[in-house]
Amino acid sequence: DAKTTQPPSMDCAEGRAANLPCNHSTISGNEYVYWYRQIHSQGPQYIIHGLKNNETNEMASLIITEDRKSSTLILPHATLRDTAVYYCGRGSGNTGKLIFGQGTTLQVKP
Amino acid sequence: DTAVSQTPKYLVTQMGNDKSIKCEQNLGHDTMYWYKQDSKKFLKIMFSYNNKELIINETVPNRFSPKSPDKAHLNLHINSLELGDSAVYFCASSRKRTPRGVGTEAFFGQGTRLTVV
Repeated sequence: DAKTTQPPSMDCAEGRAANLPCNHSTISGNEYVYWYRQIHSQGPQYIIHGLKNNETNEMASLIITEDRKSSTLILPHATLRDTAVYYCGRGSGNTGKLIFGQGTTLQVKP
Repeated sequence: DTAVSQTPKYLVTQMGNDKSIKCEQNLGHDTMYWYKQDSKKFLKIMFSYNNKELIINETVPNRFSPKSPDKAHLNLHINSLELGDSAVYFCASSRKRTPRGVGTEAFFGQGTRLTVV
C-alpha cells in the first residue's frame, strides 16, 4: 500500500531497543494501526495493534502520534530471534481487512 | 495443534492448469481471508468471508474463486493458471468485528507457495 510507508531495512544491536517507524498519513477514523512480523517466510505473526492510544503487550510497545499519521513499534530488548520482516498496516474495524506497507527488514546483530 | 492450516504447502503446476488450495481454522473464528504475497514480499488481501458470506473481493481476476463450505473452511480455486499467479498465498482468520469496530488480531496459516511453470 503506497499510503503506508516503512523504511526497507534497519539494523539493531542485540539487547538494545529496536524502534521501527511507519507513516500512515491517510488512515481513516475507524482504522486501527496493526503490526505483524514474518520470520523466514512463515505466516505473518500478530504483534500489536492500537487505535489512538499507546499500547503495550508482552512482545512490544506501540506509540501512535496524536494525529494518527504515524506510529512506532518498539521492541524493548531485541534478540537475534527478532530478526524478521515487520509489517505495519491499517486494519478496518468493520471488515477486518488489513492493508500492509512494504515491510521493514530488521536485522538484529550480536 | 495448528490454528490455521493450509494444504498443500508447495504447489508446482503448469500454465493453464486448474488448482485448489485448502484452508481450515480451528479457532472458532467467523471471518477468514486470503492474502497474496508476491516476490517482493508485498502482502495484499484478495478475499474475505464472514460466516460463509463474501464480504471483500479486491478486484481479483475471475479465475480466482473462493469457496467457503462452512465458517471453518475457506478454499481457493484458481482456473487457467498463469505465470503471474506464482506467489505465496496465505489464509488467515479472525473474530468478527463488532459494529463498534473493535480491532482483533488475525491468525495466518503457514502459506502455500505456488509456482507456475
